[in-house]
Amino acid sequence: ELKVEQNPLFLSMQEGKNYTIYCNYSTTSDRLYWYRQDPGKSLESLFVLLSNGAVKQEGRLMASLDTKARLSTLHITAAVHDLSATYFCAVDSRAGSYQLTFGKGTKLSVIP
Amino acid sequence: SQTIHQWPATLVQPVGSPLSLECTVEGTSNPNLYWYRQAAGRGLQLLFYSVGIGQISSEVPQNLSASRPQDRQFILSSKKLLLSDSGFYLCAWDGSGYSEAFFGQGTRLTVV
Repeated sequence: ELKVEQNPLFLSMQEGKNYTIYCNYSTTSDRLYWYRQDPGKSLESLFVLLSNGAVKQEGRLMASLDTKARLSTLHITAAVHDLSATYFCAVDSRAGSYQLTFGKGTKLSVIP
Repeated sequence: SQTIHQWPATLVQPVGSPLSLECTVEGTSNPNLYWYRQAAGRGLQLLFYSVGIGQISSEVPQNLSASRPQDRQFILSSKKLLLSDSGFYLCAWDGSGYSEAFFGQGTRLTVV
């Protein structure tokens, strides 16, 4: 059974600071996804990481994937209040499909 | 362009009542379709997926069922709702040539 673990589950940080969210998964997979969820809303796709060593950046967020370590990171640079949300990582449980197993999510609060 | 529609957006139903949630996708053909649920204490969980008309696979045993009467229509149903069916239901699709799944806006179901 595929397991996806995120940490931390809760993160309170000041504006301007940097931090990293970690996502570990238990079985081999070459595809990892990061989503953002605002309260009461659906999932917004942030990054799709499709191979070992993949690194993607969008604004203050950067995601990377190490398939050998079964680890992905989401790095936040110089946080701003607008980044407050819950962030999920997800992994395909079966090759060739998008049957995703999600982590429990990291609730990020950026404090002015 | 492709779009996904879910309705209703919000639903309050009494215990023991039936349920029907609908999801339709526009602008693509032969999509894979998925129902996910986000519930307190259980995180985001894949409930059903479908690779074609009439083809439904269930990931977890539950009080719910799914049907795919048309290529781009996916329906989630229950004959008698339980309190534990409360949650945020998300429909998603993917298709050939896409490297990720796309989520609908969700239906928030409260069983009272």
